[in-house]
Amino acid sequence: DVKVTQSSRYLVKRTGEKVFLECVQDMDHENMFWYRQDPGLGLRLIYFSYDVKMKEKGDIPEGYSVSREKKERFSLILESASTNQTSMYLCASSFAGPSYGYTFGSGTRLTVV
Amino acid sequence: KNEVEQSPQNLTAQEGEFITINCSYSVGISALHWLQQHPGGGIVSLFMLSSGKKKHGRLIATINIQEKHSSLHITASHPRDSAVYICAVIQGAQKLVFGQGTRLTINP
Repeated sequence: DVKVTQSSRYLVKRTGEKVFLECVQDMDHENMFWYRQDPGLGLRLIYFSYDVKMKEKGDIPEGYSVSREKKERFSLILESASTNQTSMYLCASSFAGPSYGYTFGSGTRLTVV
Repeated sequence: KNEVEQSPQNLTAQEGEFITINCSYSVGISALHWLQQHPGGGIVSLFMLSSGKKKHGRLIATINIQEKHSSLHITASHPRDSAVYICAVIQGAQKLVFGQGTRLTINP
């Protein structure tokens, strides 16, 4: 089975801290995605990557950056965490092309205090 | 108006009932996902379909491309089916657009 592993299920950070959320997939997928999920707003795309060292802004990139140095790993970085970044963060991956399905991670629930 | 609309937003039913969740979309798509999210957050892809019908156990998904509509059916529903079900369409090469989700509760 394809696995998408997110390093933490629950995380509590202080305002202003730099936060790293890690995502690793083990099926050689080209595409990787970071979403956040908030009540009433559904899932929203933060950033995605089509290949190593490639990144594209999604719908809500402000306050975030990403890093993809290796094909299997896609990191989401909160440069200076703020309380409005308290959310559920979900990573997903897929092969390139519209015919392939997505595999999601288990999510990281981040609380910024 | 959202590009992907699901109905109902919330659904409560008794164990054994036949469940239908609907998804309508207003954009061109290459495929559609039905996703399941249990409390705790992890999302599982149930189906990806671009035409016709797929079945897996008690779950059935259909799509009508001309009418821009898909349905997810659950037969003989069970309390363990309680979850949020999310419809997501794939636009273009790879962009996923999500519905708001349907919260399903099956009571014993």
